[in-house]
Amino acid sequence: QLQLQESGPGLVKPSETLSLTCTVSGGSISTGSYFWGWIRQPPGKGLEWIGSIYYSGSTYYNPSLKSRVTISVDTSKNQFSLRLTSVTAADTALYYCARGNDYGGNDDYWGQGTLVTVSS
Amino acid sequence: QSVLTQPPSASGTPGQRVTISCSGSSSNIGSNYVYWYQQLPGTAPKLLIYRNNQRPSGVPDRFSGSKSGTSASLAISGLRSEDEADYYCAAWDDSLSGRVFGGGAKLTVL
Repeated sequence: QLQLQESGPGLVKPSETLSLTCTVSGGSISTGSYFWGWIRQPPGKGLEWIGSIYYSGSTYYNPSLKSRVTISVDTSKNQFSLRLTSVTAADTALYYCARGNDYGGNDDYWGQGTLVTVSS
Repeated sequence: QSVLTQPPSASGTPGQRVTISCSGSSSNIGSNYVYWYQQLPGTAPKLLIYRNNQRPSGVPDRFSGSKSGTSASLAISGLRSEDEADYYCAAWDDSLSGRVFGGGAKLTVL
């Protein structure tokens, strides 16, 4: 059974960089035609897609975050990562990693989510 | 303001059939698949419907999805108390070259 687990700092200062890692277990991140992505949810609000990286290495980002986001894969560690620069309080959210089967979603496996708070 | 429009809430009594709508445009729902996710309180979203009307293994056939033009719907029949959750629709948007979500609909079982 595939499992995804997010990890990273729970508190980030304004203007700094948020870095999260998603560790995949129970299967290889480099097997199959999947999209490995990040989705976030501000407290009490809805879901927002951040971006995805395809198995080929192609990346797709939310246009509203594109200038600040980088998603990368480390196949040797079976992990993929999120970097979000110049964070503000508006970036405070529960961050989920997920495996998608299609461009539009079809996310069949999710991590449990990790709360990141942006505050000084 | 979400690109896909959902009613903020829906409700029904046990056993009833309820539908949740998701309205978009030609660049998203009109030309791409629609997906539905269920988020129970305090948990990660769960895939409920993929590619407009397909159910993943393990999802009861009480849940069904449909799409017509630039709108989609999720129907839940035989409503149960455990169906009380937030429901989100999603699709790829060709104009944005990105994925978009609806704002979510909170389903209450009365």
